[in-house]
Amino acid sequence: KAGVTQTPRYLIKTRGQQVTLSCSPISGHRSVSWYQQTPGQGLQFLFEYFSETQRNKGNFPGRFSGRQFSNSRSEMNVSTLELGDSALYLCASSGGGGSSYEQYFGPGTRLTVT
Amino acid sequence: DQQVKQNSPSLSVQEGRISILNCDYTNSMFDYFLWYKKYPAEGPTFLISISSIKDKNEDGRFTVFLNKSAKHLSLHIVPSQPGDSAVYFCAASPLNSNSGYALNFGKGTSLLVTP
Repeated sequence: KAGVTQTPRYLIKTRGQQVTLSCSPISGHRSVSWYQQTPGQGLQFLFEYFSETQRNKGNFPGRFSGRQFSNSRSEMNVSTLELGDSALYLCASSGGGGSSYEQYFGPGTRLTVT
Repeated sequence: DQQVKQNSPSLSVQEGRISILNCDYTNSMFDYFLWYKKYPAEGPTFLISISSIKDKNEDGRFTVFLNKSAKHLSLHIVPSQPGDSAVYFCAASPLNSNSGYALNFGKGTSLLVTP
């Protein structure tokens, strides 16, 4: 079974621009979560989608948004990029059987804002 | 505020010995706890989990212990191997699937296993 895939793997953007990141979950998984990893803050929860609905949201500004499609693929968007948005963005999927609390992560998208 | 804390940023252990990684949490609503392992340039990999109804869960060389009254859990790796060198994250979640899944992570402990 293929794992979680994320595209692109690396991205360089300029302050003020917007960016869209994509995530394809493990086949059969219906829940997709997004996390931001930075050296100072560690892994922080952004939001979770299940059946195309945002079910949970972390403490991030409204510039961070996401959506999920009917095939469970998910995208997250960051508008008006700031230097502090430079981070590794990780997508995780769950809900394929067994304990749904076990989330399976993709390799991440490394975003650099200059 | 950090609800899951890993107070040791790094740990060095000799090959063959036991590695003990610690984690504390503050939210009494957390009922499910997980450990993840992360290599550079890769996403975290699920290692082992435990629910609050248990105090121990074992999987091969990995054992997680939970002390709910102390709000403390630990991961034991026995025997430690050089390939175990990675960053280990502790994570916790309330056991309520209706509100969605949101793992709260610690900041990680970097484990180095030396030959």
